[in-house]
Amino acid sequence: DTAVSQTPKYLVTQMGNDKSIKCEQNLGHDTMYWYKQDSKKFLKIMFSYNNKELIINETVPNRFSPKSPDKAHLNLHINSLELGDSAVYFCASSQSSGTTDTQYFGPGTRLTVL
Amino acid sequence: EDQVTQSPEALRLQEGESSSLNCSYTVSGLRGLFWYRQDPGKGPEFLFTLYSAGEEKEKERLKATLTKKESFLHITAPKPEDSATYLCAVSGPGYSTLTFGKGTMLLVSP
Repeated sequence: DTAVSQTPKYLVTQMGNDKSIKCEQNLGHDTMYWYKQDSKKFLKIMFSYNNKELIINETVPNRFSPKSPDKAHLNLHINSLELGDSAVYFCASSQSSGTTDTQYFGPGTRLTVL
Repeated sequence: EDQVTQSPEALRLQEGESSSLNCSYTVSGLRGLFWYRQDPGKGPEFLFTLYSAGEEKEKERLKATLTKKESFLHITAPKPEDSATYLCAVSGPGYSTLTFGKGTMLLVSP
């Protein structure tokens, strides 16, 4: 009965490769997010989708491309991986895109770029 | 730009030793202040949302309070299982993006 799930949990890859992270939520929420947590544990918003439409893109390099096939899924594809992309990526969801809506987080995907 | 500063960065307590964590924020028109708990290797787990100054919320040994400039997370008689990183985040006008602080790492020793 996992609410927000992500796959894979760990991802180790070489510089220059392309990789994807998948996220699914079974809460019936309309809005989903991708956050990046760097080595200093600082969580920062990357993207937000509401009803499959991109509503927030926080100046993330265009090597990062989110895709939402439906309201329950938000995937993150990363092209030409760089060392600085190493981080933990968290998916989250909320009932709507309202500013008081609680966001529920997935378990995270630890990406290591060698 | 919204800013959130949490202090202390780390806090070590003995079991039963009460204390408070601070979250100072700057946001133009606070919509909500959120507290999360994060265990190592896991995603943030929602604890509380506070919406206006003077509001308080409690859950077991935790109590969150809010003023116009800061929020406190009071931990009463903590237990080792309360050890975690506590994250504070704010939302302002517009879409539901959260601005997080860097967190306070709490360690409670038996």
